[in-house]
Amino acid sequence: GQNIDQPTEMTATEGAIVQINCTYQTSGFNGLFWYQQHAGEAPTFLSYNVLDGLEEKGRFSSFLSRSKGYSYLLLKELQMKDSASYLCAALDSNYQLIWGAGTKLIIKP
Amino acid sequence: NAGVTQTPKFRVLKTGQSMTLLCAQDMNHEYMYWYRQDPGMGLRLIHYSVGEGTTAKGEVPDGYNVSRLKKQNFLLGLESAAPSQTSVYFCAARGIAATGELFFGEGSRLTVL
Repeated sequence: GQNIDQPTEMTATEGAIVQINCTYQTSGFNGLFWYQQHAGEAPTFLSYNVLDGLEEKGRFSSFLSRSKGYSYLLLKELQMKDSASYLCAALDSNYQLIWGAGTKLIIKP
Repeated sequence: NAGVTQTPKFRVLKTGQSMTLLCAQDMNHEYMYWYRQDPGMGLRLIHYSVGEGTTAKGEVPDGYNVSRLKKQNFLLGLESAAPSQTSVYFCAARGIAATGELFFGEGSRLTVL
């Protein structure tokens, strides 16, 4: 079956760095997305990786290892506004998105 | 720019009642999706559409029907609501590129008593 695993909840301190991991098992693979979702709001796009390696976008970076079925989202210089759920989603061979349950990130002052 | 708009935002139904959720997008995107989001679970695809006049079943289609009569609108119907359909419903749209990002509506919170 197809499956996405990510931690349910993480806590970090304002100004610090946090890494949110995601492992996936899909029928074929056409890339991996990260979305951010604040409580009570819609998910918004953060990143898309299809090749191995790290892609940086300001304070956020996303990494992919296709051979390991693994990705992570790295958030630097954490701000209170980064408190949100982070959703990992893999695109399978039929270009359907398989979603993880999301990681709730709590930022403490 | 409105993007993707869902109506209504909130609704309370009694078991057995019917209702329709409307999703409208102004981005001229081909693909539209209806998801439900429940605590502790990932987004689950109910139905989707790859263009005007087309619909297809997703992961959890039972109890729902959809229509895409116009490219900009995607309707989700519940013919006979059940408490198990209490959820937050999200509509999303994307362009032709399969690797393109999804643009989500603000969500519709439905409670079935």
